[in-house]
Amino acid sequence: GQNIDQPTEMTATEGAIVQINCTYQTSGFNGLFWYQQHAGEAPTFLSYNVLDGLEEKGRFSSFLSRSKGYSYLLLKELQMKDSASYLCAVSGGATNKLIFGTGTLLAVQP
Amino acid sequence: KAGVTQTPRYLIKTRGQQVTLSCSPISGHRSVSWYQQTPGQGLQFLFEYFSETQRNKGNFPGRFSGRQFSNSRSEMNVSTLELGDSALYLCASSLASSYNEQFFGPGTRLTVL
Repeated sequence: GQNIDQPTEMTATEGAIVQINCTYQTSGFNGLFWYQQHAGEAPTFLSYNVLDGLEEKGRFSSFLSRSKGYSYLLLKELQMKDSASYLCAVSGGATNKLIFGTGTLLAVQP
Repeated sequence: KAGVTQTPRYLIKTRGQQVTLSCSPISGHRSVSWYQQTPGQGLQFLFEYFSETQRNKGNFPGRFSGRQFSNSRSEMNVSTLELGDSALYLCASSLASSYNEQFFGPGTRLTVL
């Protein structure tokens, strides 16, 4: 079967660092995506990992371990505008089918 | 470059009716995927079209169908609407392969009464 797990909710403080974990079990693996979705808006692309290791992009970093079926998204210097849902998605085949986790709702508090 | 556009943005229908949603991908993108998003299930893959052919399909009943035109624009149709079809329907476009980032449109919010 195909399964992607993420925590449902997280809370963090403005200026802090937060790590959102994602574990996956899929029948194939081409890469792992992280998307951000603000309430009432479309998901927007944050990062893409296809090889093991850390990808850094400004305040956002994403890590992948294919052998462990594990990824995390690291958000540094949190801002209030980072309050959103963070979606982990795996691309597992030759086509563009993405399997999404149910998302982690992050609340950033002052 | 214009983003992905979807029309209409909001729809209200009653049970038993049918509905057609439209998606225009980013210029040059040949792949269009459709997803259903509900609070309980999250984002679920409906189907993907590439060069006018359905390339992959999710686990949805046959009431959900789609097509893609030669200009890469895509439509999805839901027949015999049920209350449970109320959801946000998102389309996403990408260049071609599964290694490419998918860009999402704003979605169509469908409410079935």
